[in-house]
Amino acid sequence: QKEVEQDPGPLSVPEGAIVSLNCTYSNSAFQYFMWYRQYSRKGPELLMYTYSSGNKEDGRFTAQVDKSSKYISLFIRDSQPSDSATYLCAMSSLISNFGNEKLTFGTGTRLTIIP
Amino acid sequence: DVKVTQSSRYLVKRTGEKVFLECVQDMDHENMFWYRQDPGLGLRLIYFSYDVKMKEKGDIPEGYSVSREKKERFSLILESASTNQTSMYLCASSNPMGGRTQYFGPGTRLLVL
Repeated sequence: QKEVEQDPGPLSVPEGAIVSLNCTYSNSAFQYFMWYRQYSRKGPELLMYTYSSGNKEDGRFTAQVDKSSKYISLFIRDSQPSDSATYLCAMSSLISNFGNEKLTFGTGTRLTIIP
Repeated sequence: DVKVTQSSRYLVKRTGEKVFLECVQDMDHENMFWYRQDPGLGLRLIYFSYDVKMKEKGDIPEGYSVSREKKERFSLILESASTNQTSMYLCASSNPMGGRTQYFGPGTRLLVL
């Protein structure tokens, strides 16, 4: 079983819709929970990260973490064609006493917003 | 502006060749990482480095080695390329105290024939 599971999609929604992307995980040692966005032929870029259970909002994006269920979500409100990309969840775990962290990624969900 | 650059966007090599992929970051970050990205498998960590001349194996180090002689440069070496190493290779860097923000390069798409 993979430590992080993510539905690969693809997911297509009309412009303006609310998008929900999800990941589940099995490792209780994960500390931070992140969402990266990757446009075609580019490297991933960090969208947002959360530490504790609950919601974190940044503009049209909301990240939600439920540690008891080992489940994280990213919601995109008022989706735009420019949101079309692959979204990767990632989770960090400490690998040293100096604060160095390792990220474990989901497989990514390919999202297309249809104008 | 944060910048991670990779030496090539596309590479075509033959089986058995020695392949060097180079990554340079201009943010004075201590940590650097090499990943490969494959459809259905996501990003998998090959090697990482905390500091100059330090290296640690990631989840899939077999068939790879790395070199970090200078803080800003992290090289991935395929000693004898094989077809199953055809993949997208991504380099990233981070500051230990902000480790969850890894900054990625644009990637190198390697085809081994």
